[in-house]
Amino acid sequence: QSALTQPASVSGSPGQSITISCTGTSSDVGNYNYVSWYQQYPGKAPKLMIYDVSNRPSGVSNRFSGSKSGNTASLTISGLQAEDEADYYCNSYTTSSTWVFGGGTKLTVL
Amino acid sequence: QLQLQESGPGLVTPSETLSLTCTVSGGSISSGSYYWGWIRQPPGQGLEWVGNIYYSGSTYYNPSLKSRVTISVDTSKNQFSLKVNSVTAADTAVYYCARRVAATSLRDIWGQGTLVTVSS
Repeated sequence: QSALTQPASVSGSPGQSITISCTGTSSDVGNYNYVSWYQQYPGKAPKLMIYDVSNRPSGVSNRFSGSKSGNTASLTISGLQAEDEADYYCNSYTTSSTWVFGGGTKLTVL
Repeated sequence: QLQLQESGPGLVTPSETLSLTCTVSGGSISSGSYYWGWIRQPPGQGLEWVGNIYYSGSTYYNPSLKSRVTISVDTSKNQFSLKVNSVTAADTAVYYCARRVAATSLRDIWGQGTLVTVSS
């Protein structure tokens, strides 16, 4: 299985909104609503930010939102803050009953 | 509050077997509501799903690792384990264990991760 495709990096200024895309195929992202997003700081374990495409776990800021169209899922962060600077990974279920991650996106807050 | 803790050798010799255990505390691994899995991250690289297991013993593996990986569960000890055979330097990574809610993509609880280095 091939990794989902994410941009290597995105950037934005405080207060702005950014969107990170996650492109898969009809065998993963396009076939299920089992897409999640993780935030990871250096040296730390990933933290779940969005699950099942657009659901936020308890405690996650409503500045984080998720969506999906066809084979591409997206994570949007609004009202960008310095603390949002981190790596972000998408993850999807596949038709082979396995899971696949995206390559990761480094978010820089300017 | 449920917690996960990885344990095992931090250094493994090439061609040998990597063995890690994840201990579940604050809850039962036998709950039918969860899958228990392993994710790894080579230094400076992205996350890679290794596989997961249901408390009944049903397993699912990354196709690229399937021939070398075994995940097992010990409900009496509230633990699940990972074995990777015939390791090479490419298996050097931080290994995380994590819990996922069944029938969702909600992988909400992770261990802190443990670095395993493959070197002679």
